[in-house]
Amino acid sequence: GAGVSQTPSNKVTEKGKYVELRCDPISGHTALYWYRQSLGQGPEFLIYFQGTGAADDSGLPNDRFFAVRPEGSVSTLKIQRTERGDSAVYLCASSSSLGYEQFFGPGTRLTVL
Amino acid sequence: GDSVTQMEGPVTLSEEAFLTINCTYTATGYPSLFWYVQYPGEGLQLLLKATKADDKGSNKGFEATYRKETTSFHLEKGSVQVSDSAVYFCALSGDYGNNRLAFGKGNQVVVIP
Repeated sequence: GAGVSQTPSNKVTEKGKYVELRCDPISGHTALYWYRQSLGQGPEFLIYFQGTGAADDSGLPNDRFFAVRPEGSVSTLKIQRTERGDSAVYLCASSSSLGYEQFFGPGTRLTVL
Repeated sequence: GDSVTQMEGPVTLSEEAFLTINCTYTATGYPSLFWYVQYPGEGLQLLLKATKADDKGSNKGFEATYRKETTSFHLEKGSVQVSDSAVYFCALSGDYGNNRLAFGKGNQVVVIP
């Protein structure tokens, strides 16, 4: 079956612009996670959804970052007024419920010039 | 906060050699421990896990034992193959109630024929 998909695979933008990154989780998975991976580092937690609600957004670095999951399936990570320091690979993962394996997507590589 | 520390630097070894990658952690409560692997051009995949002290996770010839007394979860394989070349991440899931993962920095493993 289909895994977690993320679009676009690559995004290049200019400093100050707005970007949206999309995640399509595995069908039926209720839990969805966003992580950010900077060069040479491990992924860092950003936000977790259980269903439609953001159950834990404590990893979002500041209020320029926001994520939604309006119908409990697809999620969009939104970054306003992008900065060069936002350049990283943004990873999405989903799981069938708490305590089950997280399945990761291939990531979106964001480059802010 | 909870954190994971992996040994510094890439690991280069010959085919059929013994592999060890060290991982230690800091956490409150009783975390679950994981090793994830990222093969070239692919997304993160769960390699193995252990959910309580003295548990041994194993998969594809890799093993790791959850050692609470030394707060460690070292990854080992007795005879590596070229196909094991990848980046390996140690991670933990703490008592957050949402299973978010905290990752180490990762280790690049290169196996030479």
